[in-house]
Amino acid sequence: DAGVIQSPRHEVTEMGQEVTLRCKPISGHNSLFWYRQTMMRGLELLIYFNNNVPIDDSGMPEDRFSAKMPNASFSTLKIQPSEPRDSAVYFCASSTTYVNNEQFFGPGTRLTVL
Amino acid sequence: QKEVEQNSGPLSVPEGAIASLNCTYSDRVSQSFFWYRQYSGKSPELIMSIYSNGDKEDGRFTAQLNKASQYVSLLIRDSQPSDSATYLCAVRPPSGSARQLTFGSGTQLTVLP
Repeated sequence: DAGVIQSPRHEVTEMGQEVTLRCKPISGHNSLFWYRQTMMRGLELLIYFNNNVPIDDSGMPEDRFSAKMPNASFSTLKIQPSEPRDSAVYFCASSTTYVNNEQFFGPGTRLTVL
Repeated sequence: QKEVEQNSGPLSVPEGAIASLNCTYSDRVSQSFFWYRQYSGKSPELIMSIYSNGDKEDGRFTAQLNKASQYVSLLIRDSQPSDSATYLCAVRPPSGSARQLTFGSGTQLTVLP
């Protein structure tokens, strides 16, 4: 069975450029989560969707960050414009139910903003 | 006070020993508790979940939960070098809350051959 799929796996860009990260959740999972991980701040929840609807985006750091989930099998996280402090590993995770919340993580996208 | 606290380590144990990882949480009404393992450069991998007070065993892993003390631990028996990783504790509030998992900062475990 395919797990959570993320692309790209690595992204290097220059400050001010737009960055789009992509995620395909596990088929049948109805909740999707975007996380950011840094050495300083650990693993932080940015936003999560339930049945394609954004439920809580309080973790999104700034208006430069936006996320969409147009259908059950695809989500994007966009940063525009990007800044060096956005450099981190971004994980997407999905889960089957809201109650149990056993989340399964994708391989992550390592973002470097120069 | 952090919502979920773990000793950052590093914790070193010899091969074959028992590794004990600890986690405390601040929200008394938290309902679900998880342990994730993260190898360097990889994504977190769920290894244990526990919802009720007491012990839950799965192979060499045992999760222990004490809600009165707001404490959850992970024991790894017969530790192997392949267990060397960062272990993340995650806590979930009660059903219906808009908040999702809160992760601790992780404990780095090294098992010495």
